[in-house]
Amino acid sequence: DAEITQSPRHKITETGRQVTLACHQTWNHNNMFWYRQDLGHGLRLIHYSYGVQDTNKGEVSDGYSVSRSNTEDLPLTLESAASSQTSVYFCASSEGAGGLYQETQYFGPGTRLLVL
Amino acid sequence: GQQLNQSPQSMFIQEGEDVSMNCTSSSIFNTWLWYKQDPGEGPVLLIALYKAGELTSNGRLTAQFGITRKDSFLNISASIPSDVGIYFCAGQSRGSTLGRLYFGRGTQLTVWP
Repeated sequence: DAEITQSPRHKITETGRQVTLACHQTWNHNNMFWYRQDLGHGLRLIHYSYGVQDTNKGEVSDGYSVSRSNTEDLPLTLESAASSQTSVYFCASSEGAGGLYQETQYFGPGTRLLVL
Repeated sequence: GQQLNQSPQSMFIQEGEDVSMNCTSSSIFNTWLWYKQDPGEGPVLLIALYKAGELTSNGRLTAQFGITRKDSFLNISASIPSDVGIYFCAGQSRGSTLGRLYFGRGTQLTVWP
């Protein structure tokens, strides 16, 4: 079955280190998204992509970067991890084919990141 | 960004009771989605709504796309313990970035047996 996976599921790192979180989907979806979830804030959009070589900033993009070299993957990189980036990170994808159902996003299981 | 107000923030109910929650936006939306999140998992899509006035059911769940396009409702009938979780509304507004969703802050549902 097609799916969306994230790795690692849990990560502990130190302040200042570079960290990359992986997201892989097998639906051949054009759109991919990264969110962070924090108590009291709900889901906030970090970066998103409409296709290969396309990336866009969301509402909380500072300190994060993404790259889209193929359809299936959108890795999220924390250039220099900060304690404020301790959070749960979710990747999502949607078809983005221009049809009626393009807005429906499907989520991965999440990555819990702790920055010490 | 778009503001979505979801209420109530939390609910404590007894098994068998019906549940209602709603979401309102400051602008017109053309898509409303309802998700459920279990502890330690990602949100799972429950119901998708694409037309004003649309009423859609998924088992014991029923959701409606408000006529004004600025609100949506989710009802759960005859709640059971496995309904426990956080329920999120999400929507896309006309004129917003294509495919981008805005989320409510969630309704935490607790069901007592």
